[in-house]
Amino acid sequence: NAGVMQNPRHLVRRRGQEARLRCSPMKGHSHVYWYRQLPEEGLKFMVYLQKENIIDESGMPKERFSAEFPKEGPSILRIQQVVRGDSAAYFCASSPVSMRNTEAFFGQGTRLTVV
Amino acid sequence: GQQVMQIPQYQHVQEGEDFTTYCNSSTTLSNIQWYKQRPGGHPVFLIQLVKSGEVKKQKRLTFQFGEAKKNSSLHITATQTTDVGTYFCADNSGGSNYKLTFGKGTLLTVNP
Repeated sequence: NAGVMQNPRHLVRRRGQEARLRCSPMKGHSHVYWYRQLPEEGLKFMVYLQKENIIDESGMPKERFSAEFPKEGPSILRIQQVVRGDSAAYFCASSPVSMRNTEAFFGQGTRLTVV
Repeated sequence: GQQVMQIPQYQHVQEGEDFTTYCNSSTTLSNIQWYKQRPGGHPVFLIQLVKSGEVKKQKRLTFQFGEAKKNSSLHITATQTTDVGTYFCADNSGGSNYKLTFGKGTLLTVNP
């Protein structure tokens, strides 16, 4: 049973370009969460999605960031017109049910560097 | 919003010494989860504590949840070099049942 798969593992973008981060949850998991980790910081919640639905995007910046989890295919976190401050590790997690009493399985992350 | 404070930020020990990291909240936590992240790696779930005063052990690791459910600790006995990493506590009491609020973590380094 493959774990949570994220790609790419490393992504370099110039300022103003778009970044697309992909996350395939574990088999059987329909709940996906995106977190951002700045250097030497804890993870910060960004968005929670179920298939085809955004449940909570309260942690997402209002502009330039969007997320989706289509019926078919991976969840995508899109960052438009990237800026240096977007440089961070972006982790996706999945769970079989809402996370209250179950652990989250994290992917290996995408390290985004904006130059 | 919900905040979880974790101390110390860094801890360097000699191999064989013990290590403890503490997690504190100003509000009551419904449950607390602990994760370990190796350098360059991703968070890996260690344990979840739910009950007031709960104590759980995993080999050399001991996890405690305070009686008032406002604090938690992770203690490692006789550290090994494989224990190196950042240990995070995370709470999902923030009004939802899915949003984890992470502490800033304690980075443990072990001198062989």
